[in-house]
Amino acid sequence: GPKVLQIPSHQIIDMGQMVTLNCDPVSNHLYFYWYKQILGQQMEFLVNFYNGKVMEKSKLFKDQFSVERPDGSYFTLKIQPTALEDSAVYFCASSLGLGGGWEQYFGPGTRLTVL
Amino acid sequence: GDSVIQMQGQVTLSENDFLFINCTYSTTGYPTLFWYVQYSGEGPQLLLQVTTANNKGSSRGFEATYDKGTTSFHLQKTSVQEIDSAVYYCAMSDTGNYKYVFGAGTRLKVIA
Repeated sequence: GPKVLQIPSHQIIDMGQMVTLNCDPVSNHLYFYWYKQILGQQMEFLVNFYNGKVMEKSKLFKDQFSVERPDGSYFTLKIQPTALEDSAVYFCASSLGLGGGWEQYFGPGTRLTVL
Repeated sequence: GDSVIQMQGQVTLSENDFLFINCTYSTTGYPTLFWYVQYSGEGPQLLLQVTTANNKGSSRGFEATYDKGTTSFHLQKTSVQEIDSAVYYCAMSDTGNYKYVFGAGTRLKVIA
């Protein structure tokens, strides 16, 4: 079936540094999402993105977070600066959207550890 | 706001046992409900989607039912196998379909 890829699978950085998480969504999908899952807790919505714009974001999407997808390349989540509480697994997802279905396809996640 | 409650955190069964997982939801909109399965080291993948009240969906031997009256939806399988060991999430998408609200997940362990 359709695959979403995420790079890297693991990232370890020092608090205060910048990190960029990369997502390669399903090729013809139009809607993109980031979710955050702290170890042992449920997956929580961060943000969705369509047509170059953030459609909706949650309270977890702090000012230090930003997303973009320049020229159809990777859909990225940037955190600058990072904090200890940003340690989690971040899942990217994509969906085709209107007329094509809202099922979200998830990547395998990037495990971010902030020291 | 929208919420999904999934109470069973961990379930351990023997092969050929019956599985039943329950979720309740709360929303002011018109939800679409899903069951996702997550195997170790992978992202969640869609198992079932249920959209019509009191309707059923089925896939890979799993069956999902949805009761609009009690705002609950259930996942069941008559006879689980060891390969079914995974984490099962119920999820709800809001009216605008812009995000999922996930339950806490049920970790299923099936013993051969």
